Amino acid sequence: GNSVTQMEGPVTLSEEAFLTINCTYTATGYPSLFWYVQYPGEGLQLLLKATKADDKGSNKGFEATYRKETTSFHLEKGSVQVSDSAVYFCALREGSGGSNYKLTFGKGTLLTVNP
Amino acid sequence: DVKVTQSSRYLVKRTGEKVFLECVQDMDHENMFWYRQDPGLGLRLIYFSYDVKMKEKGDIPEGYSVSREKKERFSLILESASTNQTSMYLCASILRRGEAFFGQGTRLTVV
Repeated sequence: GNSVTQMEGPVTLSEEAFLTINCTYTATGYPSLFWYVQYPGEGLQLLLKATKADDKGSNKGFEATYRKETTSFHLEKGSVQVSDSAVYFCALREGSGGSNYKLTFGKGTLLTVNP
Repeated sequence: DVKVTQSSRYLVKRTGEKVFLECVQDMDHENMFWYRQDPGLGLRLIYFSYDVKMKEKGDIPEGYSVSREKKERFSLILESASTNQTSMYLCASILRRGEAFFGQGTRLTVV
C-alpha cells in the first residue's frame, strides 16, 4: 500500500536558520503530494502541493519539489521565523481520478524555532 | 473560505458510553474523512465517505462507526468508549484534487 516517511523530530532551530524536513513516499501510479502544517491548538492546513513530477510547490517562503526518481518531496525554507513553529505533515493522494480516494499522512515533524 | 466545524473542542466521557462526534462542512464537498491523531503515530484514517449514505473503512475502523445522512454532516460514533480511544479526532473535507480542509479537532478523553 501507499506510505509516507518523514524525518523524525523534533527539530529545533534558531531564527533565520535554514530548514529541511525530509519526506519520501511509496505509491503506485502517480500520486499528488502535499505538505500540511498544524499550529498549536489547531487543525491541519494546506501549506503547499505538487501534482506531477518536477513540479515545485511554494507558499510563505516554503518550497518542495516533486522528485519521482528519488520518490521524495522534501520541505525547505531559507530563513525560518519563530512563527513557523508547528508540526509539519507530508501527505500523498493516491489515485489519478474518481471520487473514491484518500490522503495518506506521514507521522509529522515538530519544528521549534527559537528567537 | 471553506469551513469545517467540529461540534466540540474538548470532551470527557466515561468508559462504555456511546459518543457522537459531529462534523459539518459548508462547501458542498463530496468527500469527508475522520482521522485520529496520536503522538508518534501521526494521523490515522478511521472512516471516510464519498457520498451521502456511503462509507468506507479506513485503516483503524474497529470500535467506531459513522453516519452520513446529509452531504454536509459526517458523524463519528464510538459505540462503547474505551480508554484507548482517548485521542485527538480530526474531521476533514477533501476536494477531488486532494486539498483537505480540517476542522479544529476534538480532544476526547475517556475515563
